[in-house]
Amino acid sequence: GAGVSQSPSNKVTEKGKDVELRCDPISGHTALYWYRQSLGQGLEFLIYFQGNSAPDKSGLPSDRFSAERTGGSVSTLTIQRTQQEDSAVYLCASSLGTTTEYFGPGTRLTVT
Amino acid sequence: QKEVEQDPGPLSVPEGAIVSLNCTYSNSAFQYFMWYRQYSRKGPELLMYTYSSGNKEDGRFTAQVDKSSKYISLFIRDSQPSDSATYLCAMSLVGQKLVFGQGTRLTINP
Repeated sequence: GAGVSQSPSNKVTEKGKDVELRCDPISGHTALYWYRQSLGQGLEFLIYFQGNSAPDKSGLPSDRFSAERTGGSVSTLTIQRTQQEDSAVYLCASSLGTTTEYFGPGTRLTVT
Repeated sequence: QKEVEQDPGPLSVPEGAIVSLNCTYSNSAFQYFMWYRQYSRKGPELLMYTYSSGNKEDGRFTAQVDKSSKYISLFIRDSQPSDSATYLCAMSLVGQKLVFGQGTRLTINP
């Protein structure tokens, strides 16, 4: 079946602009996660949605970052007033429950 | 101190060698243990999944969990150049999100 998909695959934006990154999880998966991965670094947890519960936003680095998940499916991560340090690969994952996570291919964001 | 510690490497070995990748952790309540493999410019993919202590084998890969030492390992036998990737360990409590190690970059030289 279809895996986790993310769009766009690459995004180049100017410093100060807003960007939206999209994640389509595996159908039926109740949990959705966003991570950030800088070059050569590990996964930095950003935010986690589980069903209808309030999202765990504990990993968001600043109030410029926000995410929403509509209808328990598609999620959008928004970064406002982008900075150069926001350049990274943004990964989305989904799971049925909270154990095995299945990752998408990521969106490579470059802020110039 | 991080909850999960993993040597970032890089680790470079000749083809055919046995590779040992390791993680230590601090939270003795972790129950689920996973290894993910990430190829360059791709998302991580689940490689091995273990619940609680013991060994699990899948082809050339063996995952080992030692809860008494809070230590997990991934062994790769007869390593191939196609095994060159970053390997991330991950673990979780029951009903909680995964906690990832930093990842170890592995290169298998032909």
